[in-house]
Amino acid sequence: KAGVTQTPRYLIKTRGQQVTLSCSPISGHRSVSWYQQTPGQGLQFLFEYFSETQRNKGNFPGRFSGRQFSNSRSEMNVSTLELGDSALYLCASSLALGGAVEAFFGQGTRLTVV
Amino acid sequence: SQQGEEDPQALSIQEGENATMNCSYKTSINNLQWYRQNSGRGLVHLILIRSNEREKHSGRLRVTLDTSKKSSSLLITASRAADTASYFCAKDFGNEKLTFGTGTRLTIIP
Repeated sequence: KAGVTQTPRYLIKTRGQQVTLSCSPISGHRSVSWYQQTPGQGLQFLFEYFSETQRNKGNFPGRFSGRQFSNSRSEMNVSTLELGDSALYLCASSLALGGAVEAFFGQGTRLTVV
Repeated sequence: SQQGEEDPQALSIQEGENATMNCSYKTSINNLQWYRQNSGRGLVHLILIRSNEREKHSGRLRVTLDTSKKSSSLLITASRAADTASYFCAKDFGNEKLTFGTGTRLTIIP
C-alpha cells in the first residue's frame, strides 16, 4: 500500500510570504502529526490531528497552523515566513494517537526561506 | 523537560563492529520507539518497546529498556555501511504524542 506522501518536496519562499504544505497519510490512518526538523534541534513537534480534530499542539507561534480533512489528508500553513522557519517539515501517520503504535513518516518538505 | 538526552551525539565505527546508542528520559513512559533517518529523508520505524518489556530484538538490532534508570539503548551488531544514518528515540509519555530526542549520528567506516 502507498506510504505517506508529502508535497511539495522542496520549496523556496521569501521572508514574509506564507506557505501551505500537504500530507496524505496511509490509507486507514486517522492520526497525522507534523514535525519541524532543523540541524541540531532534532524533531520538534508541531501538532497532531485525529479525525479532523487537533489533539495536540507544540510550542510554536500562532503563525503555524494546520487542519485535517475528512479523508484524513492534512495541511499545515505557515504565515509571515521568517528565515528561521527554514527546515525539513515531516509528516507522520499512524493508526492511533500517541506512541503505542508505530508512526510512518513521509519524505518531508524542505522549506527554504530567503 | 521530559525529553532527556541521547548519547553520543555522533559515533564513528569500523564496518563489522557493534554500535550502541543510548537514550535517557526524565519522567515515566508508556512506550519507547527507535527510528532511523537517512540523510535528509523521512524516519523509518525500527522497534517499539513497552514499559513492561526489558528487551526486544529485530534482526541485528537489540533494544533494552531500564525503567528504573529511565534509559534505553539500541545495539546494532555487525554494522554495515548501509547502517550509516541518524538514530532517534521517541518517548511516549502518555500525552498522546511522541517526543523525539536530538538523535545520534552514526557513521560506519568501510
